Amino acid sequence: NAGVTQTPKFRVLKTGQSMTLLCAQDMNHEYMYWYRQDPGMGLRLIHYSVGEGTTAKGEVPDGYNVSRLKKQNFLLGLESAAPSQTSVYFCASRSTGTYEQYFGPGTRLTVT
Amino acid sequence: DAKTTQPPSMDCAEGRAANLPCNHSTISGNEYVYWYRQIHSQGPQYIIHGLKNNETNEMASLIITEDRKSSTLILPHATLRDTAVYYCIVRVASGGSNYKLTFGKGTLLTVNP
Repeated sequence: NAGVTQTPKFRVLKTGQSMTLLCAQDMNHEYMYWYRQDPGMGLRLIHYSVGEGTTAKGEVPDGYNVSRLKKQNFLLGLESAAPSQTSVYFCASRSTGTYEQYFGPGTRLTVT
Repeated sequence: DAKTTQPPSMDCAEGRAANLPCNHSTISGNEYVYWYRQIHSQGPQYIIHGLKNNETNEMASLIITEDRKSSTLILPHATLRDTAVYYCIVRVASGGSNYKLTFGKGTLLTVNP
């Protein structure tokens, strides 16, 4: 099993550009999450999904959109990137009935 | 979710036991204690969780006080690779529609040679 993978690992965007971050898991997990992590702060939840076709807002959803068209994939979109979105983004997944989340390796995004 | 309090940093000598405390005085009866860690530049990693009994796995032991208001994560023989930020999280196991984990700032454990 590859576990949770994230694409890309690094990206530099100019302000106003758009991009999509891809998270994939091969563990047949129902739940998937997108977090961001900034220096000196813990992880903050952006959006999450409790199953294919469903998404919900987390703590810091503004400026992001998500989609879960397939159970194994969870996409995070930035329609118009801003410097405040410079961060490290982590995806995670878990199965039903447990809070043991499996995290991906992260995507380091810089918006100039 | 109950709030947790952890020291911002701790040091430990390699080969010795590392004891990381967590205070969760407002924990309710159906809330579990979870521990994760994050090694520099990597995604967080699950370590262990428990409700009221002490738990042990291949990575660590979790000691929860009888009143459940605090707990201690024990790494029995710390190695340099255990240097990481350790997060203590309290959360109900099921129920409700919001299944997120709330990560605070954690404890930076530095294992010294």
